[in-house]
Amino acid sequence: EADIYQTPRYLVIGTGKKITLECSQTMGHDKMYWYQQDPGMELHLIHYSYGVNSTEKGDLSSESTVSRIRTEHFPLTLESARPSHTSQYLCASSAGLLGEKLFFGSGTQLSVL
Amino acid sequence: AQSVTQLDSQVPVFEEAPVELRCNYSSSVSVYLFWYVQYPNQGLQLLLKYLSGSTLVKGINGFEAEFNKSQTSFHLRKPSVHISDTAEYFCAVSLIQGAQKLVFGQGTRLTINP
Repeated sequence: EADIYQTPRYLVIGTGKKITLECSQTMGHDKMYWYQQDPGMELHLIHYSYGVNSTEKGDLSSESTVSRIRTEHFPLTLESARPSHTSQYLCASSAGLLGEKLFFGSGTQLSVL
Repeated sequence: AQSVTQLDSQVPVFEEAPVELRCNYSSSVSVYLFWYVQYPNQGLQLLLKYLSGSTLVKGINGFEAEFNKSQTSFHLRKPSVHISDTAEYFCAVSLIQGAQKLVFGQGTRLTINP
């Protein structure tokens, strides 16, 4: 059974606040990803990691940053949240040789006022 | 760079009717193809995938998809839908070589009416 957890599920916060979205997986997967999804729009890859101390920016430019100090943990941080950051953020992990079988978390719906 | 287009943003159908969700992709190199489903308030789940071999692939919950290289399409089908199939469906591609990042389409909302 796949286990990948995202917290919080919902977050409403004021402009200028620093926030961290948590993502953890208990499957020992090397590859982890953050996607951003706006309503009715496609998923956009904003960050990915192929292992500890490895992080790369994705196809969509994002002001967020990530870290990968432990295999199971891949947090995403916004130093100063703005209304334009309002979106759903999905974390995923994979371990297949081709990396294609992604396991997704339930997502964090972020609203910045 | 590769891209994915899902031609319908919303598809309403009646229960027990057949359904087809359309997906076209663009890529200058060979790709793998996937369909993911997102049920309300849940994360994405893999429905099916095409890596190689038979162009007709079968997935979970009675879904199947056919890879058509000449038309660069990967349409998803189900002969008889159920209320529980109501969800958002995403088509995705990834390069066969290089970084295995998935590129997703914008999604199709499938609504089943009784």
